[in-house]
Amino acid sequence: GDSVTQMEGPVTLSEEACLTINCTYTATGYPSLFWYVQYPGEGLQLLLKATKADDKGSNKGFEATYRKETTSFHLEKGSVQVSDSAVYFCALSLNTNAGKSTFGDGTTLTVKP
Amino acid sequence: GAVVSQHPSWVICKSGTSVKIECRSLDFQATTMFWYRQFPKQSLMLMATSNEGSKATYEQGVEKDKFLINHASLTLSTLTVTSAHPEDSSFYICSARKQYEQSFGPGTRLTVT
Repeated sequence: GDSVTQMEGPVTLSEEACLTINCTYTATGYPSLFWYVQYPGEGLQLLLKATKADDKGSNKGFEATYRKETTSFHLEKGSVQVSDSAVYFCALSLNTNAGKSTFGDGTTLTVKP
Repeated sequence: GAVVSQHPSWVICKSGTSVKIECRSLDFQATTMFWYRQFPKQSLMLMATSNEGSKATYEQGVEKDKFLINHASLTLSTLTVTSAHPEDSSFYICSARKQYEQSFGPGTRLTVT
């Protein structure tokens, strides 16, 4: 079946440090890939997405590139801020599966001033 | 666009009572909505897929008689937790599908005493 594996957390960084959260996937078809962010007590917000191989999603300084050859979609940011502290979920979605999403377990990021 | 609301945002109820949670797509029509459950520090667990005008599709292990889902219109799905027990306490999140993306509601915190 389809699955998403994320780097285990928690991740603690100092402000302005570089961030990488690894995400790899297995899928029976050609998925769309997503990163969601969840702040405490809130629902999920779409951070960025990529719908085909070699696409790069970007938003708020975060980037991720859809790598079909390595089945990866790693999240990166060059300089994190305290306000980036949240839980990050990698996910995939296949149009052939009623649009269901498969989520990774989430990675908690804490950025210290 | 693609805004999803949930009501209530939090609810406390007594054991044995029923609780209804609403999920609305505010600026688009959604033939498919999803209901998730999230335990503290864990990922989202898909409970069911709600299809407008038809019966919901429940994931394995989810009791359909306990978690009643109704998708009466293209903008509203409801989840009713019947005869709630303390173990049903959780964070319930809905999402509405638009093309290959999901937009998530802010979540409902249910506490059963």
